[in-house]
Amino acid sequence: GQQVMQIPQYQHVQEGEDFTTYCNSSTTLSNIQWYKQRPGGHPVFLIQLVKSGEVKKQKRLTFQFGEAKKNSSLHITATQTTDVGTYFCAKGSSNTGKLIFGQGTTLQVKP
Amino acid sequence: DTAVSQTPKYLVTQMGNDKSIKCEQNLGHDTMYWYKQDSKKFLKIMFSYNNKELIINETVPNRFSPKSPDKAHLNLHINSLELGDSAVYFCASSQVSTEAFFGQGTRLTVV
Repeated sequence: GQQVMQIPQYQHVQEGEDFTTYCNSSTTLSNIQWYKQRPGGHPVFLIQLVKSGEVKKQKRLTFQFGEAKKNSSLHITATQTTDVGTYFCAKGSSNTGKLIFGQGTTLQVKP
Repeated sequence: DTAVSQTPKYLVTQMGNDKSIKCEQNLGHDTMYWYKQDSKKFLKIMFSYNNKELIINETVPNRFSPKSPDKAHLNLHINSLELGDSAVYFCASSQVSTEAFFGQGTRLTVV
């Protein structure tokens, strides 16, 4: 009921190629957050999406929130080796702050 | 200045032992959390405290006991450690409905 499904689990790309990870929920999300975890590191907040159909950009990263607020995506244009890591989406609770994480997508970039 | 700091970073211990992990945040947040990350990188919330009060307990075994002496500190004590407790434990803090800040993680290995 509360799960957030994230695909793919792994992605290997050549440097310069694009990358996309997708999150889906069976229930409407009040908000969705995205985090990046470098190998051996801790999750670091990237962005929060709140509005239906919202699109936000951070340099080469584009985040989208679906019109029905049940899905989200993160797209990286022209990947670089510094993009390596695991990207997590997380469903946020509006009253407790609790985060329910997707399974994560681990990105490997070949130079 | 580290926003969320937890100690120790690594913990290797034998089955049956009792151990504690400490966490402190200097961000002035009202809410603190413990998350567990398993070997497949799945992040799952364990506990949440708001202003020293327990607000989330996600069916964690009684061997795990969080303690919050004040809103800047949230410690985790684990009794009778089992092999299955081996994981990375992350402390985090946030204001409700905003980004979470994670500590560096404690890699617990039970042998």
